[in-house]
Parts: sequence; C-alpha cells; structure tokens
Amino acid sequence: GAVVSQHPSRVICKSGTSVKIECRSLDFQATTMFWYRQFPKQSLMLMATSNEGSKATYEQGVEKDKFLINHASLTLSTLTVTSAHPEDSSFYICSARGATGGFSSYNEQFFGPGTRLTVL
Amino acid sequence: AQSVTQPDIHITVSEGASLELRCNYSYGATPYLFWYVQSPGQGLQLLLKYFSGDTLVQGIKGFEAEFKRSQSSFNLRKPSVHWSDAAEYFCAVGAGNNDMRFGAGTRLTVKP
Repeated sequence: GAVVSQHPSRVICKSGTSVKIECRSLDFQATTMFWYRQFPKQSLMLMATSNEGSKATYEQGVEKDKFLINHASLTLSTLTVTSAHPEDSSFYICSARGATGGFSSYNEQFFGPGTRLTVL
Repeated sequence: AQSVTQPDIHITVSEGASLELRCNYSYGATPYLFWYVQSPGQGLQLLLKYFSGDTLVQGIKGFEAEFKRSQSSFNLRKPSVHWSDAAEYFCAVGAGNNDMRFGAGTRLTVKP
C-alpha cells in the first residue's frame, strides 16, 4: 500500500513557540491531505482538508490562524501550530489521498504514523 | 453528513475467545467502511475495508467484518483472539466526497 510519513514523530516545546509538522506521501502523489488530532483516549477529529496548491478547508471550531496548513507540493503538507499552548498538546495524524485505480469513486486515505506534541 | 457509532467503549475477552466489535453508521448513500487498529502511541493500521461487492470482508491478522445494509452495521469479528490484539479499534465511514469520519473507538483488553 501507499506510504505516508510524518516528521517529527515526537516533539516537546515551550509554551508560545511554533512547531511545524511535516506529512509526506512517499510513493504516490497526494492531491489531498487531511490533518487530524487525537486527544488521549479519544477518537480522531478532522481538523482540516488541504488540496495541493490551494487554501486548506478547516472544520468548524478549528482556528485557521493557529493551525497553519501548507500543501505546496503533491508529496508534502505541513501543519504549523503557532504560539503553542499546553492545551494544544495532542497526537496529530495526517492522511493523504491520491488518485488510485480500482476504487469506484472513492480514493482511500493513507495515514501517517502520527506526531506526539507536548507543550510545556 | 455521515457518522459512526461504536457502542462499546471497552471490551475484555479471554485469549482464545471469539471477538465481535460493533459499528453502526449513518449515511444516506453507499458507505465506504473501514476498520483500523491503533496500539498505544502509534498511528492507525488498516485492518480491512468495504467498498462494494461481497459483504463479508477479510482483513489482516485474521479479522473479518460483515456489512449489513439493513442494520447499518459493519461489525468486526475474530474467531480466536491473541494477546497481541489488545489495542484500540476504530470504525470509520467515508463519504463520496472523500470525507472520513471515525467512531469513538473500542478499547480491547485481552485476559490471559
């Protein structure tokens, strides 16, 4: 299957700093990438959807000025958590969707391994 | 919009026993259904998926799931659970616009 990587896998930062998380599709071109966050013992919540070369679409309640998403190429999307605070500590997971054959009208999302963000 | 319900927050089974994790979905059109497993601190691993065709889907690690349109369900089953199956399991539904929604998850504990 398609492989999606995330970097870093774990990051600890001080309150007020900004953190950038990278999501890469390694063996396919991702026309769309998705960013999720997962609080401990909870499910994944979609934060935003980004299409290559255009602005991200944010879910209701997600601050777009705080969570900056850039999808500048077909293999890379970045999530920057600006002025991070302890409440932003979470597990951030990206997924990527590319054009795949064999699936009617649905293109499967492939998930990255996640990034654990801890804000002190 | 689509939604997913996993009624069981936590299930405990004995090693070697059978397992069934429940998943109900709500979606007006043909759903695309998935089961993922997540070990602590790890990302998601796809167990199986249903897009169309045979309603009984075989996945990895001996798991299977059955799509029942009349019951809006996609329950995950395994005939004999291994201790390594202890993890969090998520059911997800994808819509035609490629939006994916996850259930709340079911935590599986396996007793020796």
